[in-house]
Amino acid sequence: DAGVIQSPRHEVTEMGQEVTLRCKPISGHNSLFWYRQTMMRGLELLIYFNNNVPIDDSGMPEDRFSAKMPNASFSTLKIQPSEPRDSAVYFCASSERGRNTGELFFGEGSRLTVL
Amino acid sequence: DAKTTQPNSMESNEEEPVHLPCNHSTISGTDYIHWYRQLPSQGPEYVIHGLTSNVNNRMASLAIAEDRKSSTLILHRATLRDAAVYYCIYVTGANNLFFGTGTRLTVIP
Repeated sequence: DAGVIQSPRHEVTEMGQEVTLRCKPISGHNSLFWYRQTMMRGLELLIYFNNNVPIDDSGMPEDRFSAKMPNASFSTLKIQPSEPRDSAVYFCASSERGRNTGELFFGEGSRLTVL
Repeated sequence: DAKTTQPNSMESNEEEPVHLPCNHSTISGTDYIHWYRQLPSQGPEYVIHGLTSNVNNRMASLAIAEDRKSSTLILHRATLRDAAVYYCIYVTGANNLFFGTGTRLTVIP
């Protein structure tokens, strides 16, 4: 199995630009999570999907952030417009079961730098 | 958020056992305790999880206190590859899977 695949691995953009991060979960997994990691705040859960439906988006910072999961094999996290404070590593993770008991498999992350 | 308390950092000599503590005093009876670790420049990696009984796998052992308010991750023989940030987490109700800042383990050759 290829594991969770994220793209791009690195993104450098200017303030105000739109950023789209992509994630392909492990085949057969029914839960998908987007996390953001910074030195100041550590690893924060942004949003959680179960069977392609957003279940908990309380961690999404503001309206500039949106996430979609059009099918079981693909998800996007979009930031529009981007700001320097959005600079972070964004991780996608997938799980075979509900989050309380299932093991999370993380991708290698997308490092975003907003100038 | 469901929060756990861990020491910021710990050190261990190579080939020695390591006991990484975690306090989770607000855990409820149905919440699983999970441990993950994050190697430099990588995403977090699952280590082990448990509910009430002690658990063993190829990576580590998990010792859970009888009152479930604390747990200890045990690495039986630390290697240089075990140097990482270790996260103890659990989920309750509709709360986030809160990772906190974890324990940075340094392994000394």
